Amino acid sequence: AQKITQTQPGMFVQEKEAVTLDCTYDTSDQSYGLFWYKQPSSGEMIFLIYQGSYDEQNATEGRYSLNFQKARKSANLVISASQLGDSAMYFCAMREGPDSNYQLIWGAGTKLIIKP
Amino acid sequence: GAVVSQHPSRVICKSGTSVKIECRSLDFQATTMFWYRQFPKKSLMLMATSNEGSKATYEQGVEKDKFLINHASLTLSTLTVTSAHPEDSSFYICSAPRGPPLDEQFFGPGTRLTVL
Repeated sequence: AQKITQTQPGMFVQEKEAVTLDCTYDTSDQSYGLFWYKQPSSGEMIFLIYQGSYDEQNATEGRYSLNFQKARKSANLVISASQLGDSAMYFCAMREGPDSNYQLIWGAGTKLIIKP
Repeated sequence: GAVVSQHPSRVICKSGTSVKIECRSLDFQATTMFWYRQFPKKSLMLMATSNEGSKATYEQGVEKDKFLINHASLTLSTLTVTSAHPEDSSFYICSAPRGPPLDEQFFGPGTRLTVL
């Protein structure tokens, strides 16, 4: 079974609109971490935001916020006021358990294209 | 912030030659580093976990003799693609976690390997 599911292979969004990228996860661990990374066409992986399973508040980093719904096992990324430079691949990833040696499990990614 | 460098960024080689890719953590020590392979428009595929001072842990289906990993110091891991063939052409990315309290992985910029 997929541990990380990103159901949107591609999305087109008008500039300045908010966008939500979906991510659901599957784990039986109580302690885990959820990450979002951005990968522009250059290939570099850019860390965006992190949510720990015990964090009660949704994580926020500038225009990025993570809508963490633990009971539903979802960790959607919300980008407010999208910009042309937000066009990229976006990956959701999970680290399971405290003893995972930091290994990440990756979703398939969502290609986001911002239209002017 | 933490930086991970990767060298070379791009390499083109003839079939049958070996190629070495270096991954360095520049301002922190990394006892663990990860090597990924990424096909176009696909997610990251973990190849192996590089452990400083010990043997690498390879994922199922990854040939150990084909992809040699050496983690000789706390800041350097190398991936050598031995006797490269066109099917080894891919984007290779390394990452290094900077452990607690900041549970974050830092990625190298990637190496694009083309085998002719």
